[in-house]
Amino acid sequence: DAGVIQSPRHEVTEMGQEVTLRCKPISGHNSLFWYRQTMMRGLELLIYFNNNVPIDDSGMPEDRFSAKMPNASFSTLKIQPSEPRDSAVYFCASSLGEGRAQETQYFGPGTRLLVL
Amino acid sequence: KNQVEQSPQSLIILEGKNCTLQCNYTVSPFSNLRWYKQDTGRGPVSLTIMTFSENTKSNGRYTATLDADTKQSSLHITASQLSDSASYICVVSARTSYDKVIFGPGTSLSVIP
Repeated sequence: DAGVIQSPRHEVTEMGQEVTLRCKPISGHNSLFWYRQTMMRGLELLIYFNNNVPIDDSGMPEDRFSAKMPNASFSTLKIQPSEPRDSAVYFCASSLGEGRAQETQYFGPGTRLLVL
Repeated sequence: KNQVEQSPQSLIILEGKNCTLQCNYTVSPFSNLRWYKQDTGRGPVSLTIMTFSENTKSNGRYTATLDADTKQSSLHITASQLSDSASYICVVSARTSYDKVIFGPGTSLSVIP
C-alpha cells in the first residue's frame, strides 16, 4: 500500500498567488482530513470529509481557504490569495471509518508551503 | 476551555536511558487520548490510544498511562534508541457529535549516543 500521497512536497509562491495542494487517501478509506502545522500553533485540524462530504470545517481559517473532495480518491486544499502567514506544513490524513476519534488516522508526508 | 498541555517542551537523553513525557488536559466530555510520534519531516504516526476505562497501553518500548480523574497521561519510553528522536504529540478528543480533537504542542525528544 502506497499510503497517503500528497503533492507537491514543497511549494514556494509569492503573496497573492493561488496555491493548490493535493491528496490521495489510502484506497478504501472513507474519511479524509486536512491539517496545518506551524511552530507557533502546532497541529490544527482544518477540515474533514466523510464519504466525500465535508463534516467539520470549523478549523478553516477564513474564506481564502477552500477544500473539495470530488471523489473517494482525491482531495484538494486551495488557498486564494495566499499570504505569508499561510506558510506551514499541510498534512492530509485518512481513516477507514466515519472519522471518529477512536479511528487510527494515517498521515501523508505533508506539503511544505512557503509564501514570500 | 478545552486545552492540552505537554511537558517538558524538549528533552535530551542518552541512548539506552528511560524517559517519561507528560500530558495534562482539560477536555470535557472526554472521549479518548492518543499519543503520536512525529519524525522530522514526516507525518505523525499513532503510538497508542486510550479510552476512559483504560489506564495503561503498551506498544513495544512505549507505555502510555492515563489517569482520567486527574486528567493526566504519561508516555514512558524504555531503553531509548536513537530512532526515538522525534516529537511526541498528545491528542485528546472530546465526545461531541463528531469528536472534537485537541492537539498538544508536543515534546521534542533527542536521544544522543
